[in-house]
Amino acid sequence: KQEVTQIPAALSVPEGENLVLNCSFTDSAIYNLQWFRQDPGKGLTSLLLIQSSQREQTSGRLNASLDKSSGRSTLYIAASQPGDSATYLCAVSDSNYQLIWGAGTKLIIKP
Amino acid sequence: NAGVTQTPKFQVLKTGQSMTLQCAQDMNHEYMSWYRQDPGMGLRLIHYSVGAGITDQGEVPNGYNVSRSTTEDFPLRLLSAAPSQTSVYFCASRDGTVQYFGPGTRLTVT
Repeated sequence: KQEVTQIPAALSVPEGENLVLNCSFTDSAIYNLQWFRQDPGKGLTSLLLIQSSQREQTSGRLNASLDKSSGRSTLYIAASQPGDSATYLCAVSDSNYQLIWGAGTKLIIKP
Repeated sequence: NAGVTQTPKFQVLKTGQSMTLQCAQDMNHEYMSWYRQDPGMGLRLIHYSVGAGITDQGEVPNGYNVSRSTTEDFPLRLLSAAPSQTSVYFCASRDGTVQYFGPGTRLTVT
């Protein structure tokens, strides 16, 4: 059974720092991996999607990498800002597009 | 487009009561799903639908019922609420591989 783990559960860093969030999964037979952002009281917003054949995806200050063989993905946030404060979730998809989720990393950017 | 809408935003139920969480989307997506989110855990799939008239169980379907009479609406019914169903419920619709989420319903069962 696929399991997705995100470490750390919470992270607090000063504004301006570059940071990395980690996601690991136990079964490398994934269709894709997605990173989402969740703001309190709101739904989830898709940030980046990496297909299983890809190594990385970039959007603005965000860069996500995927290493299927080791069962790992990282989300790199450059020059962090207070507006980046949120919970970041990763989810892997099987061939039926069903998502298996990690519990998330709560990120706080201190001004 | 309103996207995915959910009502109510908050609800308190007593054990044994029933209720329906509403979900609607205006993007003409065939695939819709319901998740629950509990502290320290990832989202878990309750039920999903690949089109009007077609529904299927997810990882944690017990105690919940769904129907899909139209493409737009996908209500989730709690048949007899239990404290273990206290959670935040998210509805989502999917276009290809991109999922769109509603704002969630925070449900407390006492």
